[in-house]
Amino acid sequence: SAVISQKPSRDICQRGTSLTIQCQVDSQVTMMFWYRQQPGQSLTLIATANQGSEATYESGFVIDKFPISRPNLTFSTLTVSNMSPEDSSIYLCSATRGGTYNEQFFGPGTRLTVL
Amino acid sequence: GNSVTQMEGPVTLSEEAFLTINCTYTATGYPSLFWYVQYPGEGLQLLLKATKADDKGSNKGFEATYRKETTSFHLEKGSVQVSDSAVYFCALTDSWGKLQFGAGTQVVVTP
Repeated sequence: SAVISQKPSRDICQRGTSLTIQCQVDSQVTMMFWYRQQPGQSLTLIATANQGSEATYESGFVIDKFPISRPNLTFSTLTVSNMSPEDSSIYLCSATRGGTYNEQFFGPGTRLTVL
Repeated sequence: GNSVTQMEGPVTLSEEAFLTINCTYTATGYPSLFWYVQYPGEGLQLLLKATKADDKGSNKGFEATYRKETTSFHLEKGSVQVSDSAVYFCALTDSWGKLQFGAGTQVVVTP
């Protein structure tokens, strides 16, 4: 398995500001992902964080709003830019080593509230 | 594209009752199937998994069998406890490792 930590665990931010969320894995992984879970909803994939290159975004998500970095095999950041109350969600990082099972491990999430 | 459909909640049960949460999927190829659980105020945890047809995943008294003919992966537990109260997500991965989640089913177990 892999242990994933996220910082911050929660934050309350003002409209128009930006927040960067950090994700750290305790061992090397092949793929890292960022998800959003809006209140009372399921998880939606934002993007795949690619090591050393630009992230791959899902439909409805753009780099200007959610810039992502992945400088190495164990660390990634997600920035939520120019925030509005609609961005209030839990943001989760996940990682997988791929292979047969493609099992993904999740971080505890970052609970973001935008006022 | 891929999709996962699971029964709507909330599902309210008494302790020691039998639990079933239905999950069906649409996918190209042969996805791996998962059940994740989210306890109140906590992150997402993998509950069980199955990677090919007829595989049975099991953990903590929960079971689910990968049924290719009915494209289903129903979750069952014979005797639930109050501590099983949580939101349960059915999910599948494509060949790129991306997870597609169902909407989630809230389960409430009362004493």
